Amino acid sequence: NAGVMQNPRHLVRRRGQEARLRCSPMKGHSHVYWYRQLPEEGLKFMVYLQKENIIDESGMPKERFSAEFPKEGPSILRIQQVVRGDSAAYFCASSPTQRDLNTEAFFGQGTRLTVV
Amino acid sequence: GENVEQHPSTLSVQEGDSAVIKCTYSDSASNYFPWYKQELGKRPQLIIDIRSNVGEKKDQRIAVTLNKTAKHFSLHITETQPEDSAVYFCAASGRGSTLGRLYFGRGTQLTVWP
Repeated sequence: NAGVMQNPRHLVRRRGQEARLRCSPMKGHSHVYWYRQLPEEGLKFMVYLQKENIIDESGMPKERFSAEFPKEGPSILRIQQVVRGDSAAYFCASSPTQRDLNTEAFFGQGTRLTVV
Repeated sequence: GENVEQHPSTLSVQEGDSAVIKCTYSDSASNYFPWYKQELGKRPQLIIDIRSNVGEKKDQRIAVTLNKTAKHFSLHITETQPEDSAVYFCAASGRGSTLGRLYFGRGTQLTVWP
């Protein structure tokens, strides 16, 4: 089991460009969570997805940010028209499908986005 | 939503001493409290967790205590070693959440001096 895989590890974008961050959950996991970590801060929840469904997007900025988790392929976090304030580490976590709650969520290595 | 406060923000100890990090939470419905260790440039890794039906849990040099009445929980590291140096985050599950949807503290930078 390769764990939660995120790519790219580092991403540099100019202001106004689009950033696409990918997350492949652990095998057998169908719950995906995206978090953002600003420098010297804790992780802030952005969005929770299951396959083809957005379950909770209460942490997502209203504009420019979107997320999807298609039936096939990785989950994508998309940031349009990036600004310098979007520079952060973006972490994806996944958890199992079981109905029994409260099991560990596994984090990926993160994507460090730098907007220049 | 849930609000998690974490103290101190930085902590320096001598190798072999103990380190204690404290967190409080606001939502009494939170029932899962993990602690993560994050080394520079790396992903957060779960080091220990506790559920609301337990008051204390220990794993070798690491222990966590939970006081549901006071809504606070603490991480205790004994016999610290330089490799324990990292940022530690506490988290709480919040109301009705399906795991993974966690509310994090701002982190504690622990430095262990040899």
